[in-house]
Amino acid sequence: GIQVEQSPPDLILQEGANSTLRCNFSDSVNNLQWFHQNPWGQLINLFYIPSGTKQNGRLSATTVATERYSLLYISSSQTTDSGVYFCAVYTGGFKTIFGAGTRLFVKA
Amino acid sequence: EAGVAQSPRYKIIEKRQSVAFWCNPISGHATLYWYQQILGQGPKLLIQFQNNGVVDDSQLPKDRFSAERLKGVDSTLKIQPAKLEDSAVYLCASSAIGPSYEQYFGPGTRLTVT
Repeated sequence: GIQVEQSPPDLILQEGANSTLRCNFSDSVNNLQWFHQNPWGQLINLFYIPSGTKQNGRLSATTVATERYSLLYISSSQTTDSGVYFCAVYTGGFKTIFGAGTRLFVKA
Repeated sequence: EAGVAQSPRYKIIEKRQSVAFWCNPISGHATLYWYQQILGQGPKLLIQFQNNGVVDDSQLPKDRFSAERLKGVDSTLKIQPAKLEDSAVYLCASSAIGPSYEQYFGPGTRLTVT
C-alpha cells in the first residue's frame, strides 16, 4: 500500500521563526489534507490540497503531485501553533492514510 | 453549521468489558469514518460508511469491534470485549460524498482500558 512519510518528526521553534514541514507519499493521490491536532486532541482542517498552492494567513501549502510531496509553511510562528501536524492522503479504493505527524513546539 | 459530534468524550473500562461510542456527522454528509489513534501515532482508518452501507472495514478487528450506521445518519462503534491494547482515541469524521472530498473530524472519545 501507499507509504506516507512526514519530516521532521519533531521541531522546536522560537516564537516568530518560520518553518517548513514535508509530506512524501509513494503513489499518486486523489486528495491530500493537512491537519493540526491541538493539545486537546482536536484535528483541525488546515488545507485540502491535492495539487497546487494555497494560503491562509500565516500558513500556506504546496502539493506537487507529479513529484509526490507536499509542503506546509508556517511563518512568524506563535505558541498557539504548537501541536502535531498531520498530512493525510487518499489514493482511491476507499483508503485514507495518515502520516506519523510532525510534533511542533513553539517557545515564547 | 454544526460540526461532527461524538460522545462520550472520555471512557474508562476494565478489560473484557464492552463499550460503545456514538457519532453524529455534519448534516448532509453521506460518508462517515471511524479512526483509531494510538498515542504518538497518526489516526488509522477502521471503517468507512457511504450512507448506511460499509465500503471498507478491512482494518476493523471484527472479532471484537462492530459498527453500524442506521438510516445513513449517526453511527455507533462497539468494542466487546475490550483489551488493554484498545486504549486509544476513537475519532469520527465525515465528508460530503467520499474520501476524495474534505474530511471533518469530531473531538474524539478517549478510551482507557485498565
